[in-house]
Amino acid sequence: AQTVTQSQPEMSVQEAETVTLSCTYDTSESNYYLFWYKQPPSRQMILVIRQEAYKQQNATENRFSVNFQKAAKSFSLKISDSQLGDTAMYFCAFMKYRAGGGNKLTFGTGTQLKVEL
Amino acid sequence: EPEVTQTPSHQVTQMGQEVILRCVPISNHLYFYWYRQILGQKVEFLVSFYNNEISEKSEIFDDQFSVERPDGSNFTLKIRSTKLEDSAMYFCASRPTSGGSYEQYFGPGTRLTVT
Repeated sequence: AQTVTQSQPEMSVQEAETVTLSCTYDTSESNYYLFWYKQPPSRQMILVIRQEAYKQQNATENRFSVNFQKAAKSFSLKISDSQLGDTAMYFCAFMKYRAGGGNKLTFGTGTQLKVEL
Repeated sequence: EPEVTQTPSHQVTQMGQEVILRCVPISNHLYFYWYRQILGQKVEFLVSFYNNEISEKSEIFDDQFSVERPDGSNFTLKIRSTKLEDSAMYFCASRPTSGGSYEQYFGPGTRLTVT
């Protein structure tokens, strides 16, 4: 079974600064996907960024980027130029590739990020 | 932009009652999921559904739970006899068959409160 670990329950950052959220995972699979989801106070789950394990290049989406270290099974999220609207719970998630269906997400316990003025 | 919708947004029920949570996935999606999140805890997988049958379920998804796609648009989660510990946020998600991104699109959730 896969496990996802987020070791930082809470973090804070000043507006416009950069913050990095950590995530490690454990799997014996070679083909999988990793995601970061954001959950603001509304509790809606919003996809921030995704990374395919077979791609060596780190994914980027505007101010969000990842540092994917496959050998170390590490998948950290960097938020640049932090904004007040980035305040949310961030979940790291793992998905094993499985042809034909299923493909459940396994989530970490989350990191509560607070962006301060 | 198409989105997953869920109704109701909040449901209060008494222990032992049956509840049905409804979801309308994005129209061209064919894989459907239910997850739950007990307050303050992580999101947990319940069940995945494809081609009118369950493709995978977790240990949480016992005989008290069932899923159904009664028509071409709705996807429902039924809890037959609710327990206090079923109180949680329930999220529906869907994803397209093709495209390769394997991204799951989540609905806004239904908050279930069992008293």
